[in-house]
Amino acid sequence: DAGVIQSPRHEVTEMGQEVTLRCKPISGHNSLFWYRQTMMRGLELLIYFNNNVPIDDSGMPEDRFSAKMPNASFSTLKIQPSEPRDSAVYFCASSFSLSGETQYFGPGTRLLVL
Amino acid sequence: AQSVTQLDSHVSVSEGTPVLLRCNYSSSYSPSLFWYVQHPNKGLQLLLKYTSAATLVKGINGFEAEFKKSETSFHLTKPSAHMSDAAEYFCVVSEIAGGYNKLIFGAGTRLAVHP
Repeated sequence: DAGVIQSPRHEVTEMGQEVTLRCKPISGHNSLFWYRQTMMRGLELLIYFNNNVPIDDSGMPEDRFSAKMPNASFSTLKIQPSEPRDSAVYFCASSFSLSGETQYFGPGTRLLVL
Repeated sequence: AQSVTQLDSHVSVSEGTPVLLRCNYSSSYSPSLFWYVQHPNKGLQLLLKYTSAATLVKGINGFEAEFKKSETSFHLTKPSAHMSDAAEYFCVVSEIAGGYNKLIFGAGTRLAVHP
């Protein structure tokens, strides 16, 4: 099993640019989670999906952030326009179901907004 | 609401000596608890989990944790540290919220292992 796959692994962009982060969950997992990790705030849950449907996006910091899951094997997190304070590591995780307790994390995307 | 407190932000040990990373939780019911490890520039890897079965849980890489309800603790231990254990460790409690198991992360403990 390849595990959760994220791309790109590193992204450097300038303020105001659009950033798209990608995630492929583990095959057969029905729930997908996006987290953000910063030194100041630790790990924060941004949004999660079940069966491709967004369930709770209350953790999304601003309207500049959006996430989609067009099918069971692909999700995107988009920031438009990006700002320096968005610099963080963004993790995607998946689990077998919403009630499945174990979440499996991807390697993360390290984003730097200049 | 559930919460988890990792009592040490940094722990430093010598290679070959025991490791103890402390975690306390608060929960209104019997929780599910996890330890995840994050190596530098890597994602989070599940070390072990407790889900109301045996109170002593064995994980990967020689780590284990003991659930002590009376002390509301879930400390992580390893008898002999290896250089490759240097990483950040997160204690996590699972909370049922809105029909799903929401993970509540501790602030993390950075483990340094010296030769």
